[in-house]
Amino acid sequence: GQQLNQNPQSMFIQEGEDVSMNCTSSSIFNTWLWYKQDPGEGPVLLIALYKAGELTSNGRLTAQFGITRKDSFLNISASIPSDVGIYFCAGQLRYGGSQGNLIFGKGTKLSVKP
Amino acid sequence: DSGVTQTPKHLITATGQRVTLRCSPRSGDLSVYWYQQSLDQGLQFLIQYYNGEERAKGNILERFSAQQFPDLHSELNLSSLELGDSALYFCASSVALQGASEQFFGPGTRLTVL
Repeated sequence: GQQLNQNPQSMFIQEGEDVSMNCTSSSIFNTWLWYKQDPGEGPVLLIALYKAGELTSNGRLTAQFGITRKDSFLNISASIPSDVGIYFCAGQLRYGGSQGNLIFGKGTKLSVKP
Repeated sequence: DSGVTQTPKHLITATGQRVTLRCSPRSGDLSVYWYQQSLDQGLQFLIQYYNGEERAKGNILERFSAQQFPDLHSELNLSSLELGDSALYFCASSVALQGASEQFFGPGTRLTVL
């Protein structure tokens, strides 16, 4: 089945640092979504992207829908301790029908630098 | 709070048993999706219902089945349970079938098969 490559798998952050992560695919997606999951909780939607080249912000978070429609990027500026968690990208191949479900990356785990 | 509710939060059972997981979508959402999250496979799409009808199937085992009722709540039935079925099971809902639509996740049910 389709695969999303999400990088990095994990990273350590120090408060105030900017963070970047990305997802790439061999398939073209119509929608990219970014979620954050805290331990024991369900994924929480952060940003949704619907057009190639689209750049969307949500507070300190900025995500971009790659121009080739095969990748997406998420940036977190001036990180704070509560940014810790696992971030997932998800792509939707088509709207509705049999391919309307989301395909998820493996996640990027953000931890605080010791 | 996403507005999606799932019960129970935790479930511990033995191999060979059958369990039912329940999901209530956000008010107004007609689509319900079920996902399985395990450590080695990540978040995997299982099945989607829209307004009571099955619309898409992913990597769902034949031992698993689901349905969506007239009040739009959904149940995921897992039977002949195996150790490997231990995972987090998430339900998500979205408003539409056609067109780009964001999916909102419930808090999940943690299933442990002993």
